[in-house]
Amino acid sequence: NSKVIQTPRYLVKGQGQKAKMRCIPEKGHPVVFWYQQNKNNEFKFLINFQNQEVLQQIDMTEKRFSAECPSNSPCSLEIQSSEAGDSALYLCASSPRINQDTQYFGPGTRLLVL
Amino acid sequence: QEKVQQSPESLIVPEGAMSSLNCTFSNSASQSIWWYQQHPGKGPEALISIFSNGNKKEGRLTVYLNRASLHVSLHIRDSQPSDSAVYLCAVKTSSGQKLVFGQGTILKVYL
Repeated sequence: NSKVIQTPRYLVKGQGQKAKMRCIPEKGHPVVFWYQQNKNNEFKFLINFQNQEVLQQIDMTEKRFSAECPSNSPCSLEIQSSEAGDSALYLCASSPRINQDTQYFGPGTRLLVL
Repeated sequence: QEKVQQSPESLIVPEGAMSSLNCTFSNSASQSIWWYQQHPGKGPEALISIFSNGNKKEGRLTVYLNRASLHVSLHIRDSQPSDSAVYLCAVKTSSGQKLVFGQGTILKVYL
């Protein structure tokens, strides 16, 4: 069973508000991924880190989304100005190594933008 | 860009039956293919993965991969009501380590 912790489990924001969610990866997992799962079960990769360094991110992330994984603190994903289309389940996953290994998912943060 | 398609959209089987789920992907050079299970309100949980052509068996699960036809299937033997969930096929791409997911198959196992 995954030991990835995500907080909060639910987040309700108005359009234009900031939305911030956190993730504590499994102990010993330096690789962290963020995915967005919409109501149609479509997954979108957002960004991944190895330790504190960004490995890959999509264009969407570069505009309104920001993320970081500081040492000795939870990783975070923040949406600067929420839009209705951002309503989704945000999933954090961690992995012990970047190649081949299983990605272990947390329960997700469900964001609703009114 | 890698594309992953799953079929059927939903599957209803009686307890004890074999459940067969299918997945096609677009890039034969994809690194590995994963099957995840997702229950309502939870994150996906990895079940089984395969990299080489052929089959792999773990417990009640068997997965078959044919890279030439870009097809992978998951078979669940002796299906149980607790197997009821969404099953996600995911491909780890050769360009970067992210997973590309299919849209899922909803499996319901009834008594």
